[in-house]
Amino acid sequence: GAVVSQHPSRVICKSGTSVKIECRSLDFQATTMFWYRQFPKKSLMLMATSNEGSKATYEQGVEKDKFLINHASLTLSTLTVTSAHPEDSSFYICSASRQGPQETQYFGPGTRLLVL
Amino acid sequence: DAKTTQPNSMESNEEEPVHLPCNHSTISGTDYIHWYRQLPSQGPEYVIHGLTSNVNNRMASLAIAEDRKSSTLILHRATLRDAAVYYCILRDVGSIWYRRFGAGTRLTVKP
Repeated sequence: GAVVSQHPSRVICKSGTSVKIECRSLDFQATTMFWYRQFPKKSLMLMATSNEGSKATYEQGVEKDKFLINHASLTLSTLTVTSAHPEDSSFYICSASRQGPQETQYFGPGTRLLVL
Repeated sequence: DAKTTQPNSMESNEEEPVHLPCNHSTISGTDYIHWYRQLPSQGPEYVIHGLTSNVNNRMASLAIAEDRKSSTLILHRATLRDAAVYYCILRDVGSIWYRRFGAGTRLTVKP
């Protein structure tokens, strides 16, 4: 199957700092990538749709100024958590598809963020 | 917006087959049935998908009811590595299906 990577896999930061998470599609180009957040024992929640060359589309209730998304190329999307607070501690996961957003999604391994 | 219903949890013994059910009584004719699984502390992993006919791949088999209102993911010989949360999702190419990760079924495999 398609491979999607994320970096870093785990990050610990102080409250008030910003953290950038990278999502890469390693063997295919993805015009659309998705960012999810998952709290312990809960299911995935879609945060936003990352579109190459244009602005991201955010789900209702997700602050676009806090969670900055940049889809700089067809293989890279980044999520920056700005001014992180302890409540932002979560498991962040990205996904991408070979053919497009309506097709089978392949997920990255996730990034565990802990904000102290 | 077609939804799925899965049991919250299931248990299996190692090396025995596991049948994970999913009900989707409001499925439409264009909805594909997708299964993903999520191992602890990892992102979801694609398992299998189908439309009408039963499907087999190296990971599992998917049995789809004739009326398509239910499906069953079959793991032929469960291993400890199969312990995960299994998600059944309906993919309609006309909708934002990838938003629909429900609670899934937490499979525990006992040695």
